[in-house]
Amino acid sequence: DAKTTQPPSMDCAEGRAANLPCNHSTISGNEYVYWYRQIHSQGPQYIIHGLKNNETNEMASLIITEDRKSSTLILPHATLRDTAVYYCIVRVRNNNDMRFGAGTRLTVKP
Amino acid sequence: SQTIHQWPATLVQPVGSPLSLECTVEGTSNPNLYWYRQAAGRGLQLLFYSVGIGQISSEVPQNLSASRPQDRQFILSSKKLLLSDSGFYLCAWSLPAFSYGYTFGSGTRLTVV
Repeated sequence: DAKTTQPPSMDCAEGRAANLPCNHSTISGNEYVYWYRQIHSQGPQYIIHGLKNNETNEMASLIITEDRKSSTLILPHATLRDTAVYYCIVRVRNNNDMRFGAGTRLTVKP
Repeated sequence: SQTIHQWPATLVQPVGSPLSLECTVEGTSNPNLYWYRQAAGRGLQLLFYSVGIGQISSEVPQNLSASRPQDRQFILSSKKLLLSDSGFYLCAWSLPAFSYGYTFGSGTRLTVV
C-alpha cells in the first residue's frame, strides 16, 4: 500500500542543488512527510520532516505544495557524500511504524 | 546523548542454525524499538516493533521472532535459519511520542549458506 511515488534514480552535479520530488496524492490531514537517506551499507539517516509548512535544517530544505499532494527535498549544494537512496515517507506522527518504499537513488557526480 | 548499538556487524550462518541478533539503546528510557530487514537490492521491510518490555508486534509472519527482555534491549531470533533469511538487519529506536523520526543502528549483514 505505497503512499508515495518517487523516481527510481536521479543524477546531480557536485556543488549544484539536488531536488528530489515525491508524490503523495492520498496524504491525509494528520500525516507528516518524512525524508530519510541510506548511504550504501549503512542504516537510514533521518533528514527532515514537515506537515504543511516548508522546513529547513542544516541538512536540507523541504518544500510541501499547498495542497500537500507532493513535496520536494532540496540539498542546496550536493557533495559526493550525498550519494545515497532517499526515502520519502508519509505517516501519522505517533504511529508505531515507518514503512519505506523503494526511494530515489541519487548519484552526485564530480 | 542517545546511542544505539547493534552487533555483530557481519554474520555467516549455515542453513538450519539458530540466530540471535542484539540491539541496545543508551541514553533514553522507554523507547520504541524496531527491527527491519533489507534483502539485497530491495527496500526496508518492517519485521517487528515494540512499545515496551515484553510487548512485541509482528508485521510479517516468518520464522523469525523478537523479544524485549529489558527496556532498552531488543533481540531478533530464529530457531532454524533459511536461505531466504539472508539480508541486512537494522535495529532502530524512537521516542514514544517522537517528532524527529527514527535513529537506526549500523546494521548486521547476515548471509545464510
